[in-house]
Amino acid sequence: DTGVSQDPRHKITKRGQNVTFRCDPISEHNRLYWYRQTLGQGPEFLTYFQNEAQLEKSRLLSDRFSAERPKGSFSTLEIQRTEQGDSAMYLCASRGTGLKYYEQYFGPGTRLTVT
Amino acid sequence: ELKVEQNPLFLSMQEGKNYTIYCNYSTTSDRLYWYRQDPGKSLESLFVLLSNGAVKQEGRLMASLDTKARLSTLHITAAVHDLSATYFCAVDRGNTPLVFGKGTRLSVIA
Repeated sequence: DTGVSQDPRHKITKRGQNVTFRCDPISEHNRLYWYRQTLGQGPEFLTYFQNEAQLEKSRLLSDRFSAERPKGSFSTLEIQRTEQGDSAMYLCASRGTGLKYYEQYFGPGTRLTVT
Repeated sequence: ELKVEQNPLFLSMQEGKNYTIYCNYSTTSDRLYWYRQDPGKSLESLFVLLSNGAVKQEGRLMASLDTKARLSTLHITAAVHDLSATYFCAVDRGNTPLVFGKGTRLSVIA
């Protein structure tokens, strides 16, 4: 399978715990995006990487959230001291370079439940 | 700030009927996307519209784009139960992140 993959697919955690999600983009794609989707809403942008550089962060990304993309390959999104309001689906998408590579391809998502 | 509005947000259709979902966006964008999402699942790409007057069709779904009016429509022809899902439109410029609408939850009933 050469699509975007995410791990884990589901995570249940207690409030106050830290969680980390992983995203593996399509191999030739240098741009990687993280989105968050809460129930009944559209996805909202969190952060964006071009290669290993984090180019943009949303105001939604509080200081409890951190994302990395070492060596421009896979990316991790960590949430520290989780809160119930962090419960959501976390979606990763990747995009290639060049004018014809405009489409973002989404992974299956990681559903986080904070109890 | 780029904003996207969809309407209606909820749509209950009878099988065999036609209907249209509307997507308005606030400022000039390069591309307009339509996605389908089934409950608990990720996003499935339906259409990408690049230029004014673009029209794309796949099965019972047809999408069009009017960049002057900043409006896209998703037309459903002769709805069937399998089309029940949430449909999102989204726009972007260059390599910016996608900005999504709130989605239209479509329910097709017999």
